[in-house]
Amino acid sequence: GENVEQHPSTLSVQEGDSAVIKCTYSDSASNYFPWYKQELGKGPQLIIDIRSNVGEKKDQRIAVTLNKTAKHFSLHITETQPEDSAVYFCAAALYALNFGKGTSLLVTP
Amino acid sequence: ETGVTQTPRHLVMGMTNKKSLKCEQHLGHNAMYWYKQSAKKPLELMFVYNFKEQTENNSVPSRFSPECPNSSHLFLHLHTLQPEDSALYLCASSQDRLAGGSSYEQYFGPGTRLTVT
Repeated sequence: GENVEQHPSTLSVQEGDSAVIKCTYSDSASNYFPWYKQELGKGPQLIIDIRSNVGEKKDQRIAVTLNKTAKHFSLHITETQPEDSAVYFCAAALYALNFGKGTSLLVTP
Repeated sequence: ETGVTQTPRHLVMGMTNKKSLKCEQHLGHNAMYWYKQSAKKPLELMFVYNFKEQTENNSVPSRFSPECPNSSHLFLHLHTLQPEDSALYLCASSQDRLAGGSSYEQYFGPGTRLTVT
């Protein structure tokens, strides 16, 4: 089955800096790659996704890149703010979402 | 709010108890999911329902029993659980289930924090 590796497990950045979280996947058939943000006491919330026919997608301060050949995809957050502090999960999917273990991001003022 | 509600938000139960978790979605979606979230592990898909029919059971022990009476409601019946079943149980819904060439955003509820004593 699909195996998704996510790094780093924790990330601390200063407000205004950029944050990058990387994921690799094993099943070359996977074609959908969402990113979820989970705040304390809440369920995961989709923040951006990308499909296999696209190499990059941007939404304001958030961007995702996909390298299908290398089977890895990354989340980039620019101009980080304290409210970006949360746990971020990547996932790779063909018929079901396979999640990474998550990255705990802390943005310090 | 995501349009997916779960009750109760917290549950403590003994190993001999029987309890149920409830999930309701107000989004008009056709697919609903149960996930288990444990510390330091990826979210684990437990069950998938599409149009009230169970389409996936990821080798979940029989002490977890799902029920989907209609496309808006999903239950997880629990009995004779083990301490290792303590986790956050998340419900999600999507317009339709993932199907190879198409993908649908999954909306998650806030979860039920379950503690088995």
